[in-house]
Amino acid sequence: DTEVTQTPKHLVMGMTNKKSLKCEQHMGHRAMYWYKQKAKKPPELMFVYSYEKLSINESVPSRFSPECPNSSLLNLHLHALQPEDSALYLCASSQDPDRAHYGYTFGSGTRLTVV
Amino acid sequence: QKEVEQDPGPLSVPEGAIVSLNCTYSNSAFQYFMWYRQYSRKGPELLMYTYSSGNKEDGRFTAQVDKSSKYISLFIRDSQPSDSATYLCAPVPPGFKTIFGAGTRLFVKA
Repeated sequence: DTEVTQTPKHLVMGMTNKKSLKCEQHMGHRAMYWYKQKAKKPPELMFVYSYEKLSINESVPSRFSPECPNSSLLNLHLHALQPEDSALYLCASSQDPDRAHYGYTFGSGTRLTVV
Repeated sequence: QKEVEQDPGPLSVPEGAIVSLNCTYSNSAFQYFMWYRQYSRKGPELLMYTYSSGNKEDGRFTAQVDKSSKYISLFIRDSQPSDSATYLCAPVPPGFKTIFGAGTRLFVKA
């Protein structure tokens, strides 16, 4: 299995809702990432988990809360989002957190719309 | 100054053309230079990477790095409509935080 699977593919939520994005990989990768991508912009790093521990938080607002229950799963919990948070949320994994040159495997993303 | 500069395009070429995609970077600590391809409504996928200066070829794709001028290039020979995508350069500094360029949107017309 050489894929990163993200669910759901699309999500529409109100500003008072709580929802979660899920990401799963079975490649034995030890680093997992959340990126946010706005239209026609590059991916922006949000969080990095290295060996299931949060190692980078790029000053992301607390309405985004990551969780790594085990080495294969990564969640992003969403609460009280704003319309400007509407974007494509990408999960990625890499074999070794200290060897980013091995490259990332990205999921297809969750397209989030906040209304 | 941004760490990575990449012309967002769009770049439109006829089928069969040679395509040149370029980035410049500012941090001399970058050692690995990745190229990702992103189709519409999909996540990026790793295309190829080079280490330090030099060329690397993979089929119709050639990646080139000139560390002296901090210039990264990706060449596509015999371009196909299926190459139409956004191409992101991604230099890798020490550590595990990849920096993505803005991405160049490429359209190859049949």
